[in-house]
Amino acid sequence: SAVISQKPSRDICQRGTSLTIQCQVDSQVTMMFWYRQQPGQSLTLIATANQGSEATYESGFVIDKFPISRPNLTFSTLTVSNMSPEDSSIYLCSIRQDGELSYGYTFGSGTRLTVV
Amino acid sequence: AQSVAQPEDQVNVAEGNPLTVKCTYSVSGNPYLFWYVQYPNRGLQFLLKYITGDNLVKGSYGFEAEFNKSQTSFHLKKPSALVSDSALYFCAVGAGTALIFGKGTTLSVSS
Repeated sequence: SAVISQKPSRDICQRGTSLTIQCQVDSQVTMMFWYRQQPGQSLTLIATANQGSEATYESGFVIDKFPISRPNLTFSTLTVSNMSPEDSSIYLCSIRQDGELSYGYTFGSGTRLTVV
Repeated sequence: AQSVAQPEDQVNVAEGNPLTVKCTYSVSGNPYLFWYVQYPNRGLQFLLKYITGDNLVKGSYGFEAEFNKSQTSFHLKKPSALVSDSALYFCAVGAGTALIFGKGTTLSVSS
């Protein structure tokens, strides 16, 4: 299965600033997603990153706060804008790979963000 | 809407005993079900999945799960727990293109 490199692995940021998280895959994939995991909670889907078009955001997430780029089939970025302490979370990218009879998902190692 | 529920926040079991982590789902159509494990300060690791076929699915690290359509359940099981199995376990359902996750169950295995 494909290997995902996500960086940075962690960061501590000042409120009001922005952080861009990168997700690099070692092979071309059609579907790429961004998730947020708030402290002690489950993973919540932020958006589906679409190659060549605007990302598809889930309810409660907006492009101005979480702009996403997907310039090609191996790379995507998520920016957390105008950060506040409530944005302190782990952010994960994920890909879906389809086989002949089934499919599977792989996750990056995550970016642990602390906003102070 | 697709959803998955993990009714237990925490499961405690003694080493060597069997363990079960519960998961129920609600989907329209055929469910694609997954289990993942997350160790502290580490990423999400795939354990097993059910797409179609045999209701008993075997996965990594000796885990297995049984798909029960009538009870809409996909419980994770292991015959003999290890202390190293202590972690956070997530059940997830394939909903359209992305995965939808349950809230997670913390498994604590005592020696």
